Amino acid sequence: SQQGEEDPQALSIQEGENATMNCSYKTSINNLQWYRQNSGRGLVHLILIRSNEREKHSGRLRVTLDTSKKSSSLLITASRAADTASYFCATVFLGGSGSARQLTFGSGTQLTVLP
Amino acid sequence: EAGVTQFPSHSVIEKGQTVTLRCDPISGHDNLYWYRRVMGKEIKFLLHFVKESKQDESGMPNNRFLAERTGGTYSTLKVQPAELEDSGVYFCASSQGISHEHIQYFGAGTRLSVL
Repeated sequence: SQQGEEDPQALSIQEGENATMNCSYKTSINNLQWYRQNSGRGLVHLILIRSNEREKHSGRLRVTLDTSKKSSSLLITASRAADTASYFCATVFLGGSGSARQLTFGSGTQLTVLP
Repeated sequence: EAGVTQFPSHSVIEKGQTVTLRCDPISGHDNLYWYRRVMGKEIKFLLHFVKESKQDESGMPNNRFLAERTGGTYSTLKVQPAELEDSGVYFCASSQGISHEHIQYFGAGTRLSVL
């Protein structure tokens, strides 16, 4: 089964700085999504990028996708203390039957934004 | 609109006991997923319901785990008998529609501790 690996595992930055997290995966994908999890809360969907897209923006978020390298990056600009959370990439892979819709998650990056 | 709710938020049981986790998806969502995160590792897919039918249960670790979704509303995940390695956080998610791009909405999770 495919796995996503994220880099770095932990990142600590000052408020106002940019944060970049990377994700790699192993198999063909249909799309890649990023989720955030605040401590003790559920995962919240941030952004989705399709396999035929290379870059996508949403507010302070910028996601890139390189299918040739099987990697993605999430950039958070002008970070805030409230951005402190765990960030996960997740891929969707349509198997032979085309029915598989489960998310395959990376191990996550713990981002700490210091005020 | 209420989000995905899970109960209990935390369960502590002894090895060999039985535990039942419950998930209430967002009203109207036909798709319901179970995931778990064990020992800080990546979040892994367990199974996927479409209404009351199991669409994909390829992630279920063994026959000690039983998931049901009678009536196509809420779902339960029973672990019987529980083992130490079952400790972790169990997440439920729901989504609507059949598109592989549909966003999954997650509950806060149930933290299971098997002693």
